[in-house]
Amino acid sequence: GAGVSQSPSNKVTEKGKDVELRCDPISGHTALYWYRQSLGQGLEFLIYFQGNSAPDKSGLPSDRFSAERTGGSVSTLTIQRTQQEDSAVYLCASSLGGRAGRAEQYFGPGTRLTVT
Amino acid sequence: SQQGEEDPQALSIQEGENATMNCSYKTSINNLQWYRQNSGRGLVHLILIRSNEREKHSGRLRVTLDTSKKSSSLLITASRAADTASYFCATSNSGGSNYKLTFGKGTLLTVNP
Repeated sequence: GAGVSQSPSNKVTEKGKDVELRCDPISGHTALYWYRQSLGQGLEFLIYFQGNSAPDKSGLPSDRFSAERTGGSVSTLTIQRTQQEDSAVYLCASSLGGRAGRAEQYFGPGTRLTVT
Repeated sequence: SQQGEEDPQALSIQEGENATMNCSYKTSINNLQWYRQNSGRGLVHLILIRSNEREKHSGRLRVTLDTSKKSSSLLITASRAADTASYFCATSNSGGSNYKLTFGKGTLLTVNP
């Protein structure tokens, strides 16, 4: 079946602009994750959604970052007033969720964000 | 913060040889997973080993886990040029936030034809 999809695949934006990154998880996966991968920091957890529960936002680096998940499916990560240090690949993943034993995460191809 | 630390950072071998990568971590875990990444884009899940397991096999992959040493190894046997990629270990901590994965910085494997 279809995997996790993300759009756009590449985004170049000017410092100070807002950007929206989109993630379509695998159908039936109740858990959705956002990660950021940058040269200096490796892969960092940003936010986690599980069903209708309150999301775990503990990884968001600042209040310029926010994310929502509508209808338990598609998710949007928004970065306001982008800074050059926001440049990174933003990866979305989904999993079946529920018990910890169903923990395999399936990743999308990522969005490469460049802030000039 | 990065809990998993892969070793070596880079590994270059000839096709047909075996590749061994190691991962160390710091806290108690629920499970440990290995992922592969090609060209800096999406990660592909390879194998998951639970904290009560010591060894697991999947095709040419063999993973071991030593919770007393807080370490894991990934062995790829009879390597192929197509195995060239970055390999990451990721730990799921025991406790309430066990859905979170903490990734290491990865090992870049190059398999020369």
